[in-house]
Amino acid sequence: DQQVKQNSPSLSVQEGRISILNCDYTNSMFDYFLWYKKYPAEGPTFLISISSIKDKNEDGRFTVFLNKSAKHLSLHIVPSQPGDSAVYFCAASVSDTGRRALTFGSGTRLQVQP
Amino acid sequence: GAVVSQHPSWVICKSGTSVKIECRSLDFQATTMFWYRQFPKQSLMLMATSNEGSKATYEQGVEKDKFLINHASLTLSTLTVTSAHPEDSSFYICSARDSRGVPTYEQYFGPGTRLTVT
Repeated sequence: DQQVKQNSPSLSVQEGRISILNCDYTNSMFDYFLWYKKYPAEGPTFLISISSIKDKNEDGRFTVFLNKSAKHLSLHIVPSQPGDSAVYFCAASVSDTGRRALTFGSGTRLQVQP
Repeated sequence: GAVVSQHPSWVICKSGTSVKIECRSLDFQATTMFWYRQFPKQSLMLMATSNEGSKATYEQGVEKDKFLINHASLTLSTLTVTSAHPEDSSFYICSARDSRGVPTYEQYFGPGTRLTVT
């Protein structure tokens, strides 16, 4: 049972345009969400996160939106750059477990065309 | 800061042998480290949580006798794949959480280890 889902395996966007990556979750206990970026044969690198008490968090070109009622979050990248081409994973966690382990989605491969 | 290294980056071994993978936090202390496995074009699957000075916590379906985890210091965790078989071939990634300051969710990931069992 996939608790975190990224239904779009790939996305292609023109340089300078907006990239929107989507993520849905089923576990209502999740209260913290993160986005990671991953290049082939490398470990994921942290991008941005959001707590469930917020509905938006912005960091430079990256903005994450959270819709708790829909159990949906999205990552917006504006403007998109060729260097943003990578696989993006969303992850979710439950705060009341001491481990704060992350549950990952299956990833979306973003290709930014020059 | 917040660099995590893994060694080796890739390894090929024969079926039946054991392989040890090291995960180190280079510039911070980590009482908790995590081990993930990733199959091609799939998500990172959490295998186990490594706790410094205590036994690891394994996820459902992960054989603890096959995947031995040792977290002997605040900067080092090891994963040993015992009696490896071709189906163990995968990309193994570790992550670490900075133990200092306010508890955080963020995990810093190593570059991964590609294991191929022939």
